[in-house]
Amino acid sequence: SYVLTQPPSVSVAPGKTARITCGGNNIGSKSVHWYQQKPGQAPVLVIYYDSDRPSGIPERFSGSNSGNTATLTISRVEAGDEADYYCQVWDSSSDHPDVVFGGGTKLTVL
Amino acid sequence: QVQLVQSGAEVKKPGASVKVSCKASGYTFTSYDINWVRQATGQGLEWMGWMNPNSGNTGYAQKFQGRVTMTRNTSISTAYMELSSLRSEDTAVYYCAREYERYSMFDPWGQGTLVTVSS
Repeated sequence: SYVLTQPPSVSVAPGKTARITCGGNNIGSKSVHWYQQKPGQAPVLVIYYDSDRPSGIPERFSGSNSGNTATLTISRVEAGDEADYYCQVWDSSSDHPDVVFGGGTKLTVL
Repeated sequence: QVQLVQSGAEVKKPGASVKVSCKASGYTFTSYDINWVRQATGQGLEWMGWMNPNSGNTGYAQKFQGRVTMTRNTSISTAYMELSSLRSEDTAVYYCAREYERYSMFDPWGQGTLVTVSS
């Protein structure tokens, strides 16, 4: 089955740029979606189809996807960005497509 | 606005079944698939399966095949997820989420339903 690998944690100072990676075999050929989850809350979509932003998500959030790595980039990080972030793809390698989530990355704002 | 509202917390004994509901509003219920995802305390997201509210067709993750059933009542725009033969490892928050289009992203999500399995 398809596996997505995320770093367990990323730390960044306020105002700096955070980059959260999501590794998978030839992930560049798949569409990657990213979710933000704050403690006690449901996940919220922040990036879809690799690099599109839903309405209401700040322009500071951006995404890219190429080769074996997709990346969520958060510019000018704020305290309110502290959360867990998950990447997600559909694995259509079999006749039974499945959703795969990365293990999640805890973003800490120093 | 588009919204999914789930039923309240449940406490079940091992071996029992639980049925969680997910009521949709703000859009045409039959036009978008509903997916179910669970999250154990302190753990990541785990996908359980999808259901097409129009046809009733379903697709389940292999891990849950034979134990999960996803259904709907279109007259009240509500999706259901029933998990049987519960064990302690099934203790988790269960989320429903609308799939924007086939094989795509989930938006929005329900608020989550805590299911606790304990003797």
